[in-house]
Amino acid sequence: SQQGEEDPQALSIQEGENATMNCSYKTSINNLQWYRQNSGRGLVHLILIRSNEREKHSGRLRVTLDTSKKSSSLLITASRAADTASYFCATEGDDKIIFGKGTRLHILP
Amino acid sequence: EAGVAQSPRYKIIEKRQSVAFWCNPISGHATLYWYQQILGQGPKLLIQFQNNGVVDDSQLPKDRFSAERLKGVDSTLKIQPAKLEDSAVYLCASSFWDTPFDEQFFGPGTRLTVL
Repeated sequence: SQQGEEDPQALSIQEGENATMNCSYKTSINNLQWYRQNSGRGLVHLILIRSNEREKHSGRLRVTLDTSKKSSSLLITASRAADTASYFCATEGDDKIIFGKGTRLHILP
Repeated sequence: EAGVAQSPRYKIIEKRQSVAFWCNPISGHATLYWYQQILGQGPKLLIQFQNNGVVDDSQLPKDRFSAERLKGVDSTLKIQPAKLEDSAVYLCASSFWDTPFDEQFFGPGTRLTVL
């Protein structure tokens, strides 16, 4: 069964705007990762946040984790056409990693 | 640094036929993963190897799927016989360490169509 569930399933925004997508999960985790998948580069690791961390930054990416609500969010600031892709959260617990169904992000010119 | 290599990139077979996929991980990576990704869904882990030993194969349909990693380097995943529901992209990934929270590097995948 899928652990992480991303929301929304699909998102379209204008280039330059910020994009926010959320991930909810059901059981305790050790860490949560975000991955991006597009046709050009396949599945690529973006960022990892551990269960004892609340926020993490990497370039234009900001990830938050709220373990009390069992949720995480990924913020992409100043979006670019190249950010068009599917974004997956992957939760790790009990030495198993489980991917969600993903959010499809489309950046409009 | 060379990435994870997979072949073939595409495969079309008829149901009940057999198929095999090959993966060569990044040099020095001890852990290798095979995932199945059905259209519109996230990747589902099929099997995880550490060197040439199996760490987790709990979601591998063992009646028809098999995988091996001889000599702890490259790996093959086989489906025999294939069913229509096996149509998916099969992704191979590798990581340096043996813990799932280590960054995984994914190959381009093999897109399988079962007719």
